[in-house]
Amino acid sequence: AQSVTQLDSQVPVFEEAPVELRCNYSSSVSVYLFWYVQYPNQGLQLLLKYLSGSTLVKGINGFEAEFNKSQTSFHLRKPSVHISDTAEYFCAVGPRRSQGNLIFGKGTKLSVKP
Amino acid sequence: EAQVTQNPRYLITVTGKKLTVTCSQNMNHEYMSWYRQDPGLGLRQIYYSMNVEATDKGDVPEGYKVSRKEKRNFPLILESPSPNQTSLYFCATKSQGGAWGTEAFFGQGTRLTVV
Repeated sequence: AQSVTQLDSQVPVFEEAPVELRCNYSSSVSVYLFWYVQYPNQGLQLLLKYLSGSTLVKGINGFEAEFNKSQTSFHLRKPSVHISDTAEYFCAVGPRRSQGNLIFGKGTKLSVKP
Repeated sequence: EAQVTQNPRYLITVTGKKLTVTCSQNMNHEYMSWYRQDPGLGLRQIYYSMNVEATDKGDVPEGYKVSRKEKRNFPLILESPSPNQTSLYFCATKSQGGAWGTEAFFGQGTRLTVV
């Protein structure tokens, strides 16, 4: 079984400041890792994913995430945020080999203030 | 163009009145799933289907039914809706063979209010 913990439910930050959204996971099997973004009143959009290879993954809109196997973490970062990054962000895990399901964290609301 | 279409997008209904939310995909995907999204709880899986005529309960199946008679459609049925089913619902699909390395596609969501 897998579980995902997003350590912050809300993150307020000023425009042009750096941000880190934290995600930890637990799993008895090897997993793929994902970050999704949901802008206000919209559906889910894939931001980035870690499948294999380099542990630093770059996604859309200047976001990146680092996979840390020993700490079972997949934190999302952006060096300088914009007002338009205001959204809810979801971390998710999906099993690599089995036909299991995609499990989501509870979400982190990023609020970027001018 | 790859599409996952949910209907309706918005629905207000009364307690006890049966309703169906439809989900249709044009990618010939085997796997389809329904999630509900609630503030502070993230997305929780209601039901999923590995293929036609193969459905299984997710984490929060109570009060819901599904069917998978054909590959492209996966309707979510609320036989007797209650106010605690007020939520934002998402349908998701993916190709079976690629596990979760293959991208999952999500519908635009259905906002349901039960009064």
